[in-house]
Parts: sequence; structure tokens; C-alpha cells
Amino acid sequence: DAGITQSPRHKVTETGTPVTLRCHQTENHRYMYWYRQDPGHGLRLIHYSYGVKDTDKGEVSDGYSVSRSKTEDFLLTLESATSSQTSVYFCAISAGGYQPQHFGDGTRLSIL
Amino acid sequence: GQQLNQSPQSMFIQEGEDVSMNCTSSSIFNTWLWYKQDPGEGPVLLIALYKAGELTSNGRLTAQFGITRKDSFLNISASIPSDVGIYFCAGQYGGATNKLIFGTGTLLAVQP
Repeated sequence: DAGITQSPRHKVTETGTPVTLRCHQTENHRYMYWYRQDPGHGLRLIHYSYGVKDTDKGEVSDGYSVSRSKTEDFLLTLESATSSQTSVYFCAISAGGYQPQHFGDGTRLSIL
Repeated sequence: GQQLNQSPQSMFIQEGEDVSMNCTSSSIFNTWLWYKQDPGEGPVLLIALYKAGELTSNGRLTAQFGITRKDSFLNISASIPSDVGIYFCAGQYGGATNKLIFGTGTLLAVQP
């Protein structure tokens, strides 16, 4: 296992509430990523980080924000959750260069 | 967003059969990756390919990085029931962000 822990693993919440998902790594890797996985769309990049306090947008970043105050933690926040954000969210890490990304086990988020 | 063309979308085979799936892109990649995803889990890296023309094996799995750098294939020999899952290809540009572009996935079902 790549030393990635996502929490919570499952969450059900209501539209309009804020939600924060956490990704914790023990590999000391520089790069961290947040994806969402939806039927028919595969894995799509939300945001990524290339160092502490260094983040950038992916292809589906609207409605999401991220923060990385420590190497080991990357937080994904939905400021005001909408039903369209119901999905499975995956965190990934990479050492950079041409090293592959390794994924956590995901968070299943349902927004009612 | 960009996705790689992966085929077939699904395969239903008998145990012991060989399997072949491929991935094509309009873009050139520096790295091709193959992942497998089991239900309720994150994608797990199977094989990473770093050079055009490279042929790499991992047990019963063999993958190749296409000469044009725009395609890759994965073969599974003598399939077994635990090969069941979704297989994803991913192209990686490398560079500063190490971002991945994913294929649409191939669902493999193996009947004992």
C-alpha cells in the first residue's frame, strides 16, 4: 500500500452544507491530487498540489477549494455542497518527475 | 475534459482465456500507466511504461508503449476470477505537474 489514508470513507450530507475531505500520506511525496469518479466520466482531476501551500486547478475545479498546510495533508472543501457533487473522491500522490501516481481508497460522498 | 479512447468498454470471458485491451490518444505522452480498480477501492498501479516501444511484464500481464507514443495495450494471459475489475490506462505528460489523463476504462468479467 502507498501509505495514503482518506477520511471519511463515507459521508452523507445535505445540499448547502460545507464538507471537507482529508487526504493524509506517509510517503513524504511532493505532489498530491484530488479526483472525482463518476459513471461515464472516469477519473477527473479537481485540484492538485505541488508543494506546501502550492496548489492549482484541474479540469473540474468549480465549487471546490483545497489547502495544503503540511506535506502530509491535502484537504478538499466543498463550500456549499450541491447534488451534482455526489461522487466518489480519490486522492493520489506522486514523488514527481515521471513517477506514477498512487491512489487512496476513496471517499463516497452523497449529497441529498 | 480530455479522455483517452480505451477499448473494449467491457469483456466477458471464460477463465483461462487471454485478454487484450488498448488505449489511444491524439496526444503524445511521456509515460503510459495501467491501473486496475476493484469495487469500493482505489485504482492500483499494474504497469508503468516509460519509453516508446517498451514492452513490460508483471506476472501474467504484459503492456507495451506504442512507437508513436500515442497508444498502449495491455494483455492478460490465462485469466483467473480475481482478474475481475475495471482496467484503466493513463497517459502522463510528466513535467512540473505530473498530471494524468485517464482512459474510459475496460470492465472485465471472468466466468469460472
